[in-house]
Amino acid sequence: DTAVSQTPKYLVTQMGNDKSIKCEQNLGHDTMYWYKQDSKKFLKIMFSYNNKELIINETVPNRFSPKSPDKAHLNLHINSLELGDSAVYFCASSQPGLAIADTQYFGPGTRLTVL
Amino acid sequence: LAKTTQPISMDSYEGQEVNITCSHNNIATNDYITWYQQFPSQGPRFIIQGYKTKVTNEVASLFIPADRKSSTLSLPRVSLSDTAVYYCLVGAGDTGFQKLVFGTGTRLLVSP
Repeated sequence: DTAVSQTPKYLVTQMGNDKSIKCEQNLGHDTMYWYKQDSKKFLKIMFSYNNKELIINETVPNRFSPKSPDKAHLNLHINSLELGDSAVYFCASSQPGLAIADTQYFGPGTRLTVL
Repeated sequence: LAKTTQPISMDSYEGQEVNITCSHNNIATNDYITWYQQFPSQGPRFIIQGYKTKVTNEVASLFIPADRKSSTLSLPRVSLSDTAVYYCLVGAGDTGFQKLVFGTGTRLLVSP
């Protein structure tokens, strides 16, 4: 029973195309995130949503647009894909406000390759 | 957000205890220390978290000295399956919307 799932797992596409990655969590968490892990394995946060509202928006090109139809889903749409967008994208979720610091649960990742 | 420094890589053998130390000199009063583990082709997984002194769970122990400027993740009797990258993070536990900042992590290689 997967807690945080992403589709697709692999995505290969041409430069200039538009693509979407979907994320769903069944943990009942209020907050969801998108991270990007580049070829050097650095993991950086891109966006965070809490109850469908954007709360963290790092310096990410406007070509990236997150969409949260409900608090269990956070999709990432990327327009006009560029070579530099090639990376592994991870979705995560957490339940803020608990007694311990925010523990995030990550999905399996989506490996995006732009040719 | 407090910056962390940890060794780039470590090598060990099966059955040994592994200690990975993380420096966080500018840790804030309300910051917690959290360790994540990442296997190849998988997302990071929460291992352990602490604020001060010692925390132990079924996977690892976390030692935090009184000044909290460093912490040590201890993995008892590692196995080959413990080969992974281990990330040390510090951040506020009371904000509710924590922006995790991952450093380079420590790549642990466990050999037979």
